[in-house]
Amino acid sequence: EAAVTQSPRNKVTVTGGNVTLSCRQTNSHNYMYWYRQDTGHGLRLIHYSYGAGNLQIGDVPDGYKATRTTQEDFFLLLELASPSQTSLYFCASSHWGETLYFGSGTRLTVL
Amino acid sequence: AQKVTQTQTSISVMEKTTVTMDCVYETRDSSYFLFWYKQTASGEIVFLIRQDSYKKENATEGHYSLNFQKPKSSIGLIITATQIEDSAVYFCAMRGITGNTGKLIFGLGTTLQVQP
Repeated sequence: EAAVTQSPRNKVTVTGGNVTLSCRQTNSHNYMYWYRQDTGHGLRLIHYSYGAGNLQIGDVPDGYKATRTTQEDFFLLLELASPSQTSLYFCASSHWGETLYFGSGTRLTVL
Repeated sequence: AQKVTQTQTSISVMEKTTVTMDCVYETRDSSYFLFWYKQTASGEIVFLIRQDSYKKENATEGHYSLNFQKPKSSIGLIITATQIEDSAVYFCAMRGITGNTGKLIFGLGTTLQVQP
């Protein structure tokens, strides 16, 4: 089973602040994803990548940047955080876009 | 556009009984993959079971099985001999093959409560 580690587990920032969420997977999966989960909206895809240096836009990308620095590492960047970005964020990985394996999530609060 | 719909918001069952959770999907892809995930009270999302559209046989995994009805675009999750620890939110998800994007579309989830 894929091992996907997210950090931090919890993060509080202020409006306009800079936030970086980190994700590392150790099973040599090529695809990695960032989702956000909100009540009433379920899981929504922000960005994803199929390899180092690659970035694909998801369904709710506004206000987010992402970078895949290596096969293992995928980062989500919020450069001017807003209260609407308060959410539970999940990273996931998969082999060629098949079964996704999720990290434990990062709860972000923007005050 | 692809869409996944779970019409049951919540279900409550007695322990050791069988429960079925419904899911219908929309896609124009000729081949696709269907998944069920479980989100525990701690927030962890765990993969349960998968059905590939080209397979006629329903997938099974432990006390989870699927009722795949392709003409109805339906993929139900069946949990037999439910246990208290099965209480969780269950998500249905789909991935089409068009563009091979790897994008998974999720339903909004069904909350299952198993009573002792």
